[in-house]
Amino acid sequence: DGGITQSPKYLFRKEGQNVTLSCEQNLNHDAMYWYRQDPGQGLRLIYYSQIVNDFQKGDIAEGYSVSREKKESFPLTVTSAQKNPTAFYLCASSRLGGHYGYTFGSGTRLTVV
Amino acid sequence: DQQVKQNSPSLSVQEGRISILNCDYTNSMFDYFLWYKKYPAEGPTFLISISSIKDKNEDGRFTVFLNKSAKHLSLHIVPSQPGDSAVYFCAASAGGGSNYKLTFGKGTLLTVNP
Repeated sequence: DGGITQSPKYLFRKEGQNVTLSCEQNLNHDAMYWYRQDPGQGLRLIYYSQIVNDFQKGDIAEGYSVSREKKESFPLTVTSAQKNPTAFYLCASSRLGGHYGYTFGSGTRLTVV
Repeated sequence: DQQVKQNSPSLSVQEGRISILNCDYTNSMFDYFLWYKKYPAEGPTFLISISSIKDKNEDGRFTVFLNKSAKHLSLHIVPSQPGDSAVYFCAASAGGGSNYKLTFGKGTLLTVNP
């Protein structure tokens, strides 16, 4: 049963700490994406990757980092440089080379305490 | 520069009536459009899509209309049901050099009242 899994569902971080959000997919999709959702802001693209060991910044990449060492995995690190990290984070994946749309994970709610 | 705009943050309709959600875009290179539905604390799920070579696509209670000259699309839900209450995102993509990456609108919160 193919899908995309984000973990954990809820995450709490202290000020000044880095935290890593996990995203794994078994859909054999080439492309993976990280979005952030804030009230009234819609979905804003943080980073995306279309191939292993390569990724590009999205619209709001500052304070975030990613890696793509495996096709199935695209973890997102929220660093202490991110000034307002409390948000709902969504990971997505898609095929490439056509209009295939995205499959989304169920999201991670990050709260800074 | 917002290329996909959903100008209504919220919409409230009565159960059984029609819901019409609107979306405007500015990038003339967009050639494929999608609607996603999102419940709180969940990921968006694909609802319906339309290619720019069509002006209408229908799937059960959901119909998407595309007016390319006006750069406008709309999602019609008939009849609306309480379970349709969610945030609806419009998205668009362009092929070729843009690698089909989706650009999302800010979403419209639909509330269907029993």
